[in-house]
Amino acid sequence: DTAVSQTPKYLVTQMGNDKSIKCEQNLGHDTMYWYKQDSKKFLKIMFSYNNKELIINETVPNRFSPKSPDKAHLNLHINSLELGDSAVYFCASSHTGQGRSNQPQHFGDGTRLSIL
Amino acid sequence: SQQGEEDPQALSIQEGENATMNCSYKTSINNLQWYRQNSGRGLVHLILIRSNEREKHSGRLRVTLDTSKKSSSLLITASRAADTASYFCATQPGANNLFFGTGTRLTVIP
Repeated sequence: DTAVSQTPKYLVTQMGNDKSIKCEQNLGHDTMYWYKQDSKKFLKIMFSYNNKELIINETVPNRFSPKSPDKAHLNLHINSLELGDSAVYFCASSHTGQGRSNQPQHFGDGTRLSIL
Repeated sequence: SQQGEEDPQALSIQEGENATMNCSYKTSINNLQWYRQNSGRGLVHLILIRSNEREKHSGRLRVTLDTSKKSSSLLITASRAADTASYFCATQPGANNLFFGTGTRLTVIP
């Protein structure tokens, strides 16, 4: 019955590799997000996406790209991984759009990415 | 930067005591939200207060918002060991993105 699920939970890989993290939500939400949480627990928005619009945080390197095959999925693809990419990545979802402001976000349990 | 700041960074109290965490932010907002994060888990939404509200309650939680001072507080009354977690405030200037504070690590000692 998990509302927002991410896979894998742990990802250990070499610098320079390309990897993907998958996210699925079964809440019927129309907007999904990716956040990065660093070692100091600071959470930063990376992307928000619904079927109409992708909003990218301008500080996110273009090595990171979200891919959404449908409304219930938003995967995160990372090219040429670097040491500084080590962090916990959280997927989230919510209702947005007309008449749906002020809605909470629902988070997955995170993917712990470690770059060797 | 739209990031908020929380105070204190860490708080340790005895079970049964009240815990108060403060959040300051910099931009105008639609709402401010509080989330809890248990170790190794995702964030769980606790309470949302709109910009035109001043106080809100949910169970043992009480949130205040002062938009003139750009600050909010979260009060947890009669704390329990299970309340041990990190607590984050998050502002929502628009319809979508949340901008999180730096978090308060709460430890409730049984």
